Amino acid sequence: NAGVTQTPKFQVLKTGQSMTLQCAQDMNHNSMYWYRQDPGMGLRLIYYSASEGTTDKGEVPNGYNVSRLNKREFSLRLESAAPSQTSVYFCASSAEANTEAFFGQGTRLTVV
Amino acid sequence: GENVEQHPSTLSVQEGDSAVIKCTYSDSASNYFPWYKQELGKRPQLIIDIRSNVGEKKDQRIAVTLNKTAKHFSLHITETQPEDSAVYFCAASWVSSASKIIFGSGTRLSIRP
Repeated sequence: NAGVTQTPKFQVLKTGQSMTLQCAQDMNHNSMYWYRQDPGMGLRLIYYSASEGTTDKGEVPNGYNVSRLNKREFSLRLESAAPSQTSVYFCASSAEANTEAFFGQGTRLTVV
Repeated sequence: GENVEQHPSTLSVQEGDSAVIKCTYSDSASNYFPWYKQELGKRPQLIIDIRSNVGEKKDQRIAVTLNKTAKHFSLHITETQPEDSAVYFCAASWVSSASKIIFGSGTRLSIRP
């Protein structure tokens, strides 16, 4: 099993460009999450999806949109990238509420 | 609002000594408290978790304690070893939205030889 797979691993964008970060899990998990990690600020929740067909805002949703395409896939879209969105993005999934979250390997995004 | 505070932000201990990291949470209804370890350049991984109906849980050199009244929980690592050097994150889930997991800001633990 691959677990949680994110693509791409690295990306450089120019201010104003758009892009979609892809995430897929093969563990048949119900819940999926997107976090961003910045130095000294831990992991901040952007959006999450408790189950297929539902999405909810997390702590820092502004500037992002998400799509829970099916049970396996949860994508994160930046419509107009800004330098403040330079960060490492992690996707995660868990079988259900209050269980272990498994993380992808992360996407390092730089916006110039 | 929903918040998890973690202290200290950095911690340096002598190899073989103990390390303690503390977290507080804002929602008294929170019922799940995991701890994650992130080694340099890698993804976070769960090391131990505790639920609100338990006061303490141990797994070899690692233990977590929970004080629901004070709304704080702590990670204890005994007999520290070089491989314990990493960033540790506490987290809490919210009953109002049970799939929502909020993380603390992290503690960078360094083990001195």
